[in-house]
Amino acid sequence: EVQLVESGGGLVQPGGSLRLSCAASGFDFSNYEMNWVRQAPGKGLEWVSYITSRGTTIHYADSVRGRFTISRDNAKNSLYLQMSSLRAEDTAVYFCASAGIAAALDYWGQGTLVTVSS
Amino acid sequence: SYELTQPPSVSVSPGQTASITCSGDNLGDKFTSWYQQKPGQSPVLVIYQDSSRPSGIPERFSGSNSGNKATLTISGTQTMDEADYYCQAWDSSTTLYVFGTGTKVTV
Repeated sequence: EVQLVESGGGLVQPGGSLRLSCAASGFDFSNYEMNWVRQAPGKGLEWVSYITSRGTTIHYADSVRGRFTISRDNAKNSLYLQMSSLRAEDTAVYFCASAGIAAALDYWGQGTLVTVSS
Repeated sequence: SYELTQPPSVSVSPGQTASITCSGDNLGDKFTSWYQQKPGQSPVLVIYQDSSRPSGIPERFSGSNSGNKATLTISGTQTMDEADYYCQAWDSSTTLYVFGTGTKVTV
C-alpha cells in the first residue's frame, strides 16, 4: 500500500523557519517525481514545488521561490521542504504528492498544518 | 502566469449528470487532471491525461479536453460525489503545475 506521511508542521513566528518531511513507503520512491502542494484554510489548492526522481531538476511557485527549498533523500525514501522567511500567507496545510502518468498527482499524504503567526 | 478558471459551484440532482468546466489558454495542448476533495480529506485523483480513470475510480467519472476548455463529467451523480473538484494542468515545456480555482459540487 502506498503511503505518504508528512510531518514537521506547527506554529512559527513570521520570519521564522520550518522543515517539513514526507516519508514514503509502498512504492519505488527513487523513481518518482515528487511535489509539495499547499492549501490555505478555506481556500483552494496551490502547487508549491517539484523535484525530479534524482533531484536534478527543481521548480518553485513564484510565491515561494527564494524562500523555500525542496530536497529528497532516496536512500531514506524521504522528501523535504525547508521553509524560511515565513509569512502569514504561508499558513496552510502542506501535502506531499507523487507524480505519475502525464504528471498527474496520483498519491497524496494526509497533510501537515503550518501556522505562521506571532 | 498561467491561470485555470472553474465555476465556483455546480448543483445537481441525484442520478443526473454534472459537468464541471476548466478554462485556460490553449488548455487542450496540456495534460489535464482532476481531483476530488471531501471536507477534511486529502485530494484524490479521479481523471488523468485528460480522460483516463485511475484504478478504483467509478466509470461515472469521465473527462475531455479540447481547445481552451477541459470538462469533468459525472454521470448518474451520487450523494457521495458531493465534494470540491479541482482541475490541474501540467505544462511539459516548463514542468510547472497549475491548479484551477475549484468547484463545489452539491448533490
